[in-house]
Amino acid sequence: QKEVEQNSGPLSVPEGAIASLNCTYSDRGSQSFFWYRQYSGKSPELIMFIYSNGDKEDGRFTAQLNKASQYVSLLIRDSQPSDSATYLCAAQRGGGADGLTFGKGTHLIIQP
Amino acid sequence: DTGVSQNPRHKITKRGQNVTFRCDPISEHNRLYWYRQTLGQGPEFLTYFQNEAQLEKSRLLSDRFSAERPKGSFSTLEIQRTEQGDSAMYLCASSLKQRTYNEQFFGPGTRLTVL
Repeated sequence: QKEVEQNSGPLSVPEGAIASLNCTYSDRGSQSFFWYRQYSGKSPELIMFIYSNGDKEDGRFTAQLNKASQYVSLLIRDSQPSDSATYLCAAQRGGGADGLTFGKGTHLIIQP
Repeated sequence: DTGVSQNPRHKITKRGQNVTFRCDPISEHNRLYWYRQTLGQGPEFLTYFQNEAQLEKSRLLSDRFSAERPKGSFSTLEIQRTEQGDSAMYLCASSLKQRTYNEQFFGPGTRLTVL
């Protein structure tokens, strides 16, 4: 059974601080990992993807991957109230064609 | 709008009726995915097409569900004899075949309510 686990939260972070979102996965065949942001009532929006061990930075967002620990994280620097949303972690098996396996998401609240 | 589009956006139906949803992917994308999302859960994969070929189906896709992508462009998802448990957001995503990664972009979804 392929599983992706996330703490459902809510995770409350003060405006301007760093928000840290974590995700673990059980399928060692997973090769690519994606972070999506989902506002209430809306569809998921792709923020970051990562497939190599280490860090990948894009603006205020940094994705981190540790395949040995089967751990993925997303850091959001200088958190803004507009970052308040549910963040979904997703994994994909090697080959790049499979459907994504999603976690349940972490609800993030940025306090002004 | 060059993103993924889905129609209708909302559908209310009575139990036992058939419903059909349509997805138009980003124009150059050759892969198309269907997912289902219920409240408080992440999206669950249903099925996937590469061009017109349906290459993978989840065990979640019961025999009441059928999906087509006849010309490798738009896709339809039909649910026959709907049940209350089918109430969910049905999401379509598309991607372009790449060697090392497969970013999937989602449409706005179709929210189904079965009464």
